[in-house]
Amino acid sequence: EADIYQTPRYLVIGTGKKITLECSQTMGHDKMYWYQQDPGMELHLIHYSYGVNSTEKGDLSSESTVSRIRTEHFPLTLESARPSHTSQYLCASSVGLKGRYEKLFFGSGTQLSVL
Amino acid sequence: AQKITQTQPGMFVQEKEAVTLDCTYDTSDPSYGLFWYKQPSSGEMIFLIYQGSYDQQNATEGRYSLNFQKARKSANLVISASQLGDSAMYFCAMKEGNKLTFGTGTQLKVEL
Repeated sequence: EADIYQTPRYLVIGTGKKITLECSQTMGHDKMYWYQQDPGMELHLIHYSYGVNSTEKGDLSSESTVSRIRTEHFPLTLESARPSHTSQYLCASSVGLKGRYEKLFFGSGTQLSVL
Repeated sequence: AQKITQTQPGMFVQEKEAVTLDCTYDTSDPSYGLFWYKQPSSGEMIFLIYQGSYDQQNATEGRYSLNFQKARKSANLVISASQLGDSAMYFCAMKEGNKLTFGTGTQLKVEL
């Protein structure tokens, strides 16, 4: 079964704070993703990485940044959190399935609330 | 235009009954993949089933089957013999090239 971990599970912070959401996977997957999801809504891709030192912005514009220094680790950072950043953030990694199509494994998510 | 459309925001089904969750998609790419994910209240996303655009047979995984109608661009999820633990949000998703796009989801509630 998938081994992908996100911490913290819940985070409540004040406006202006710098935060880092952690995501680690032990499966050796090259591809990793960050999705943002508001309650009852679809997932929006905000960042992805196809390997070490490779990061790209997703479909939804985000003020967050990511890094990929190690295969297993894909942290997301907000330099100055604002209430508009309140959302659930889901990390995922993927393995190839039938050629170009991939199966995503998701972490449990981080529910971020910015006051 | 919406790439993935799930028209049922919420569905109810009785335990042990079958239920169909609708999904239509829009693409001009002849090569694509369709996925269904389950998201329980705990928040994690669980992969359920996959259908490739060139697959001749409908995908099945245990109690889950995907009713793939390519000409209609629909990929409905059928859950047979519903269980209380099936209550969750269900997302349809499509992969074209490197992009995976999710629908807005259907909230399924299984009742006794």
